[in-house]
Amino acid sequence: GIQVEQSPPDLILQEGANSTLRCNFSDSVNNLQWFHQNPWGQLINLFYIPSGTKQNGRLSATTVATERYSLLYISSSQTTDSGVYFCAVERIGNNRLAFGKGNQVVVIP
Amino acid sequence: NAGVMQNPRHLVRRRGQEARLRCSPMKGHSHVYWYRQLPEEGLKFMVYLQKENIIDESGMPKERFSAEFPKEGPSILRIQQVVRGDSAAYFCASSPPGSREQFFGPGTRLTVL
Repeated sequence: GIQVEQSPPDLILQEGANSTLRCNFSDSVNNLQWFHQNPWGQLINLFYIPSGTKQNGRLSATTVATERYSLLYISSSQTTDSGVYFCAVERIGNNRLAFGKGNQVVVIP
Repeated sequence: NAGVMQNPRHLVRRRGQEARLRCSPMKGHSHVYWYRQLPEEGLKFMVYLQKENIIDESGMPKERFSAEFPKEGPSILRIQQVVRGDSAAYFCASSPPGSREQFFGPGTRLTVL
């Protein structure tokens, strides 16, 4: 199956700092989504971004499909940004999302 | 527009009992997916259904697990004769026709004693 690798696995940030999370995948995809799993375990949709760039408030994401990677940018981080960020991709011809292992982010005040 | 609904949110079962997990997709969504999050294995696909049809069940364990999405009512994930290894968070997602974006429910946390 398709491989999804996220880096860094763990990240500690001072409140107000910026960060970049990376997702590499091993095959062509027609869907890529970023999620935030909050401390209560809920999966929150952040971006649906099979290609291109999108921004939503302090978050933005870029996917370069031809080079098989995506980046999630967090600017001016807040303690509420803490949690695990998952990248998930759907390989062309499949109907299911394959998840990476996540980026565990802790923002300290 | 309500999001994906799952119930119960927490379910406790003893070994050997049956667990039934329910998922109501978002309004207008006809595709339902089930995923399982095990503590050391991450989020894994289980099954993809459309109304009255199982499209892809390649991620379902071969025994004790079944899923349905009837013409009326919620999608059901059924686990028979639960074992401790079934303890996990089970997430349902849905997507509308013509879109690949999946929207996730809050999950059901199953604990098997």
